[in-house]
Amino acid sequence: SQTIHQWPATLVQPVGSPLSLECTVEGTSNPNLYWYRQAAGRGLQLLFYSVGIGQISSEVPQNLSASRPQDRQFILSSKKLLLSDSGFYLCACLEEWPYEQYFGPGTRLTVT
Amino acid sequence: TQLLEQSPQFLSIQEGENLTVYCNSSSVFSSLQWYRQEPGEGPVLLVTVVTGGEVKKLKRLTFQFGDARKDSSLHITAAQPGDTGLYLCAGAAGGTSYGKLTFGQGTILTVHP
Repeated sequence: SQTIHQWPATLVQPVGSPLSLECTVEGTSNPNLYWYRQAAGRGLQLLFYSVGIGQISSEVPQNLSASRPQDRQFILSSKKLLLSDSGFYLCACLEEWPYEQYFGPGTRLTVT
Repeated sequence: TQLLEQSPQFLSIQEGENLTVYCNSSSVFSSLQWYRQEPGEGPVLLVTVVTGGEVKKLKRLTFQFGDARKDSSLHITAAQPGDTGLYLCAGAAGGTSYGKLTFGQGTILTVHP
């Protein structure tokens, strides 16, 4: 079964600073990968998904971008953080059928 | 756009009580998952249902998928403080949706000893 790693676990950044969050996956190859943001412990908002190296789809227009430089690496970035970027960021990996997603431990981002 | 309406948003009960959480949609899902999440951690998959009318049991938790595969429920019998957490339902449209899930807004359950 797959294992998902995320780092850092927590991050405090000033407004206007850059961001790089990393997600790596073990135990699977060519997975579909997903970035979510969760506000205040509620439902998850899908930000980006990727079906392969270099293939990124954005779900919502925003200040963030994603990249997939390697098969099992997924990166979430920003050039200039906004206060509204604060939240809990989760990376997930897909098990093809029955479409189960497995989540990493998350990164708590606070923009000050 | 698929939506999943999850209710109630909050549940505060005493140990030993029973409870039910509902997820409803006007869309049909190929599969539906239930997750439980602790504060500061990622969601953990509890169960997946895929067949209309399916019922799955996980100890004191009973999950049901509606006959039309548009709704689901989670029933907890004799709740315990260890059941406290955020419960999320999520549906997969399947087909060419790339495995994307539609999440409900979550139910925050607090079980008091």
